[in-house]
Amino acid sequence: GQQVMQIPQYQHVQEGEDFTTYCNSSTTLSNIQWYKQRPGGHPVFLIQLVKSGEVKKQKRLTFQFGEAKKNSSLHITATQTTDVGTYFCANRGSARQLTFGSGTQLTVLP
Amino acid sequence: EAGVVQSPRYKIIEKKQPVAFWCNPISGHNTLYWYLQNLGQGPELLIRYENEEAVDDSQLPKDRFSAERLKGVDSTLKIQPAELGDSAVYLCASSLRFSGELFFGEGSRLTVL
Repeated sequence: GQQVMQIPQYQHVQEGEDFTTYCNSSTTLSNIQWYKQRPGGHPVFLIQLVKSGEVKKQKRLTFQFGEAKKNSSLHITATQTTDVGTYFCANRGSARQLTFGSGTQLTVLP
Repeated sequence: EAGVVQSPRYKIIEKKQPVAFWCNPISGHNTLYWYLQNLGQGPELLIRYENEEAVDDSQLPKDRFSAERLKGVDSTLKIQPAELGDSAVYLCASSLRFSGELFFGEGSRLTVL
């Protein structure tokens, strides 16, 4: 599948600060899915983006798909301790397999 | 509705021993995936089934790994013989259709000594 690079690998924020993770590819992505994995847990689906320039919101989470469909971002406004976990982007390429990025591990300090 | 069920949750074995993991997907989900997740990394696909057919097993190390999904429902992933480097979490996931969201099980954590 197409490789997707995620940055940063780790992020520590104070509770109430914003957080953004980025997913980048050198080639055009067909679509992007985002997952959250709590410490010791399993990945849980958050959202799927399909259209160029698409923006979707879920409460304090904002997801964007780049105009060229080569990048995506997840932004969390005013982080809470419940946001702790690792956030993965995943791309379903032409071979139909879902390829995950390496994830961004978010720590929220109270 | 029950989620994806995996067993065992934890398994500790000595190297060269066999091990098997079992997965029961969400009812009605035709697509089933086995992923491997190492600490601090994203899940890596081992094999994907559409009903009982393995449609993508290019990443499965076939010299020691095997999988089956008889009758297109439950699936078993086997490793024989296990090596130290196989220590990881083995995640099973299912989806209603190939392009939809994945529902993951709790995973089976394997430790090879």
